[in-house]
Amino acid sequence: DAGVIQSPRHEVTEMGQEVTLRCKPISGHNSLFWYRQTMMRGLELLIYFNNNVPIDDSGMPEDRFSAKMPNASFSTLKIQPSEPRDSAVYFCASRRYSLQGGRINTQYFGPGTRLTVL
Amino acid sequence: EDKVVQSPLSLVVHEGDTVTLNCSYEVTNFRSLLWYKQEKKAPTFLFMLTSSGIEKKSGRLSSILDKKELFSILNITATQTGDSAVYLCAVALRGSTLGRLYFGRGTQLTVWP
Repeated sequence: DAGVIQSPRHEVTEMGQEVTLRCKPISGHNSLFWYRQTMMRGLELLIYFNNNVPIDDSGMPEDRFSAKMPNASFSTLKIQPSEPRDSAVYFCASRRYSLQGGRINTQYFGPGTRLTVL
Repeated sequence: EDKVVQSPLSLVVHEGDTVTLNCSYEVTNFRSLLWYKQEKKAPTFLFMLTSSGIEKKSGRLSSILDKKELFSILNITATQTGDSAVYLCAVALRGSTLGRLYFGRGTQLTVWP
């Protein structure tokens, strides 16, 4: 089974441009997470969805960031307008959510998108 | 404030050494603690711990949780250069934040030949 798929793998853009990052979770997983990782701040959760519904977006830095999950197999993270301080690696992760917990709560990460805003 | 604190931040050892990585947490409604290994790319899952005192093992790696003292350790014996990575600890909570993981800053392990 394919893992979490992210695209693009690398993105270089100029300040002020719109950036869209894409994620396809593992088939059968019903929770999806967007993270940002920088040297300064480590791994930060931006937003996560359960069954396509946003549950917690408190990590979204500001209104320039938005995320959607129109269906169970696709999510986007958009930055508009982008700024140099948005430069980071953005990870998408998915898991199969269950109240019973256990190993199925483990999150599986995609390869990440390295974003550079000039 | 930080909910999950890892130590040391960085560790350099020689092949064959044994290392212990620490993770302490301060949260309410604890559910489980997870360890991930991150090399150049995405974090990969190592262990999930939910019960105190039960050691989880995978080859040269092992981990244990102490829910009374609110910490976990990750041991790596007979280290190899391929163990060089950032090791991340994360905590999952029960209740309304179910599903969210709180990550520590990680421990950068470097193993020299």
